[in-house]
Amino acid sequence: AQSVTQLGSHVSVSEGALVLLRCNYSSSVPPYLFWYVQYPNQGLQLLLKYTSAATLVKGINGFEAEFKKSETSFHLTKPSAHMSDAAEYFCAVSEGNTGKLIFGQGTTLQVKP
Amino acid sequence: DTGVSQNPRHKITKRGQNVTFRCDPISEHNRLYWYRQTLGQGPEFLTYFQNEAQLEKSRLLSDRFSAERPKGSFSTLEIQRTEQGDSAMYLCASSPWTGNSPLHFGNGTRLTVT
Repeated sequence: AQSVTQLGSHVSVSEGALVLLRCNYSSSVPPYLFWYVQYPNQGLQLLLKYTSAATLVKGINGFEAEFKKSETSFHLTKPSAHMSDAAEYFCAVSEGNTGKLIFGQGTTLQVKP
Repeated sequence: DTGVSQNPRHKITKRGQNVTFRCDPISEHNRLYWYRQTLGQGPEFLTYFQNEAQLEKSRLLSDRFSAERPKGSFSTLEIQRTEQGDSAMYLCASSPWTGNSPLHFGNGTRLTVT
C-alpha cells in the first residue's frame, strides 16, 4: 500500500531564506505525487504534481519539487521564503485508479521576519 | 469553474445529535471524495463516489456515518448520534475521471461536538 512520510512537523526559516520541506513515499508502482498547501480554516490548494513527465516539477508561488526514485523522495523547495508562505504543507501519493490521495501528516512552515 | 462548495462552514452540535453536511463539486467532475482532518494531522480518506456510485468506504467510516450522491452531482455526509471524537474538519474534493488528476478541495465544514 502507498504511504507518505513528511520529515519534520515544523520548519522555521527567515524571510528570504531557502525553504526545504521533505517528503518520502512508499509505493509498489510508479507513483503520482502531489504537494498541497493549506491556510488556516481553508481547504487544500494544489501547489504542484508529479506524473512521470519530468523529474523536476515547477508549481505555483515559486515552489518546485524534484522526484528522486532512488531515494523515494519528492522534496519541496523554494529559493526565497516570503511571509505569505507561512502555512501547512502536505505531500500526497495517489492510490491506483481510484484517484484517492494518501496524505502525509503535514509540515507547518513558519517564516520569520 | 466556481470551485468546490461546502455547507455549512461551521457546525456546533451537542453529543447525540445528527448532523448533515453538503458538498457541491465542480460541475463536470465525476468523482467526489470525503476526507476528515483533525488538528495537526493530514486529511484521512473516508469515502468516494464515481457519479452516483459509492465505490469505496474507509474503515474510519463507522455505521453512524453515511454518504450519498443521489444524482451524481452534490453529495451529503450524515453523522448520526454524534460523539466528541467526531469533532474535525470534513473536507470534500472532486476530480474529473481522467487518470490521476489532482483533487480540488472545498474549504471544509468544521464540526464541533460539545
